[in-house]
Amino acid sequence: EAQVTQNPRYLITVTGKKLTVTCSQNMNHEYMSWYRQDPGLGLRQIYYSMNVEVTDKGDVPEGYKVSRKEKRNFPLILESPSPNQTSLYFCASRAAGANVLTFGAGSRLTVL
Amino acid sequence: AQKITQTQPGMFVQEKEAVTLDCTYDTSDQSYGLFWYKQPSSGEMIFLIYQGSYDEQNATEGRYSLNFQKARKSANLVISASQLGDSAMYFCAMRESTSNTGNQFYFGTGTSLTVIP
Repeated sequence: EAQVTQNPRYLITVTGKKLTVTCSQNMNHEYMSWYRQDPGLGLRQIYYSMNVEVTDKGDVPEGYKVSRKEKRNFPLILESPSPNQTSLYFCASRAAGANVLTFGAGSRLTVL
Repeated sequence: AQKITQTQPGMFVQEKEAVTLDCTYDTSDQSYGLFWYKQPSSGEMIFLIYQGSYDEQNATEGRYSLNFQKARKSANLVISASQLGDSAMYFCAMRESTSNTGNQFYFGTGTSLTVIP
């Protein structure tokens, strides 16, 4: 089944403890991106990647890092999480030249 | 300025009636794409419909249609014959196609639709 898989789906952590949210897609998509969803703010793009080793900032990149060493994986790294990073995170991908984003199921992160 | 504006935080519709969810957008690009996604209470993002800026016909997908008014920069979603399963959050989104921003998607704040039996 074609899909975008995120892990973990739920995580509670403490301020300053580094964490990684993994994202993997099995559709050979070139483009991958991360979003955070907050009440009243909709989805905001954190980072995106056009292909392996090519990443760029979205609208809210502060406090996050990403890497794209393989085409299928695009992990989101929070080096020192803070409570304002408590949010619902989505990974999404699309093929080059395609328009529609395919989303993962979401990862709900709580930082205490 | 907001790229996507959804002015209806919440909407109610009677089952089997039609409902229109409003979306306006802001771009100076000639080429762009407009999307609607549905997010049920389970949280996943489900693609509903897409409209390209050069498409002359309004997009339709089953009970969903996109009322595209380019001069007004609006891309309203029309759901016909509402069903209880349509109760969800709906997001309007845009992708611009300029070289330096063509890989960013912009989402609105969403409209929560409740279908009343």
